[in-house]
Amino acid sequence: DAGVIQSPRHEVTEMGQEVTLRCKPISGHNSLFWYRQTMMRGLELLIYFNNNVPIDDSGMPEDRFSAKMPNASFSTLKIQPSEPRDSAVYFCASSFGGGGETQYFGPGTRLLVL
Amino acid sequence: GQQVMQIPQYQHVQEGEDFTTYCNSSTTLSNIQWYKQRPGGHPVFLIQLVKSGEVKKQKRLTFQFGEAKKNSSLHITATQTTDVGTYFCAGTGANDYKLSFGAGTTVTVRA
Repeated sequence: DAGVIQSPRHEVTEMGQEVTLRCKPISGHNSLFWYRQTMMRGLELLIYFNNNVPIDDSGMPEDRFSAKMPNASFSTLKIQPSEPRDSAVYFCASSFGGGGETQYFGPGTRLLVL
Repeated sequence: GQQVMQIPQYQHVQEGEDFTTYCNSSTTLSNIQWYKQRPGGHPVFLIQLVKSGEVKKQKRLTFQFGEAKKNSSLHITATQTTDVGTYFCAGTGANDYKLSFGAGTTVTVRA
């Protein structure tokens, strides 16, 4: 059974460009999470969806970040415009339940903004 | 929401030795989970503890949930090079839906 799928796995872009990260959760899971991981700030929760509805976006850094979940099998995290300080590993995770259950992480997208 | 603190941040261990990493919450937790992230990898679920005072073992790893359900520990015996990585604890508050992750303990092993 496939785990959480993320694409791209690596992204190098220039400051000011739009970046779109994609995630396919595990089939049947109804909760989806976007995290950002850096050496300085560790693992940060950006946004949490339950049944495709954003429940908590308090971790989204600023208006340059947006996330959507148009259906149960797909989510995107968009950064527009990107800045060098957005360089990080972005993880998508999914779980079955209301948010406190075991989370299954994807392999991550390593983003470098030059 | 609750905050989950982990100590130490870094643990340098001689191969074959034991060590313990600790997780503390500012509020009572309904459950605590532990994850392991290998270098360059992603966090992978190890175990969940739910009951007060619960102890679970996975081979050389022993996980414990405190009596007050506000702290937890992970003890590794006879450390091996395969234990290298960052260990995260994550807890859900009694009245919260969110799983809050600690900052992690990064373990390196000297052969």
